[in-house]
Amino acid sequence: EDQVTQSPEALRLQEGESSSLNCSYTVSGLRGLFWYRQDPGKGPEFLFTLYSAGEEKEKERLKATLTKKESFLHITAPKPEDSATYLCAVQVPYGGSQGNLIFGKGTKLSVKP
Amino acid sequence: DGGITQSPKYLFRKEGQNVTLSCEQNLNHDAMYWYRQDPGQGLRLIYYSQIVNDFQKGDIAEGYSVSREKKESFPLTVTSAQKNPTAFYLCASDIPGYNEQFFGPGTRLTVL
Repeated sequence: EDQVTQSPEALRLQEGESSSLNCSYTVSGLRGLFWYRQDPGKGPEFLFTLYSAGEEKEKERLKATLTKKESFLHITAPKPEDSATYLCAVQVPYGGSQGNLIFGKGTKLSVKP
Repeated sequence: DGGITQSPKYLFRKEGQNVTLSCEQNLNHDAMYWYRQDPGQGLRLIYYSQIVNDFQKGDIAEGYSVSREKKESFPLTVTSAQKNPTAFYLCASDIPGYNEQFFGPGTRLTVL
């Protein structure tokens, strides 16, 4: 069964304290791995897509990396405005479609000033 | 501005009632999706549609129905058969083969 597991469930950081969020997956036929940011009561906002092991992408204080079994979202010197829930999703073939997303439960990040 | 709109933002339903959630996009995307989000759970796929007049069940389609009469619109009906409909509902769209799904702002449905 295709599965995506995110850890930790919640993470509290002080402003400027760098850390990483983990997304591990067991799927057949990975087409891509996605990171989203979700603020309370809002829809997810797309951050990154990774397609192959070794790939890295960066955006401001965020850097996403991918291995054959997992992805990391590194947050460097976070600020309070980085507080949100970060969702990981993998795209796999589904039914007759080219690929649908399977989501993890998310990591809730809180950054204190 | 291009994007996805969902309405209403909040919806209250009495038990036994059907309600319809609206999703409209002006991104010219072919594929549209409905997800349900519950506290502590990942997003779960309800229905998806890759082209007009065609749609497929996702993992949790029981108690829901959809239509896709126009490319821009993909309404979701939550029927009285859905035993636990209180949740946050998210609509998304993308271009098949291009991978990013873009999400709407969501509708929070509460059963009274």
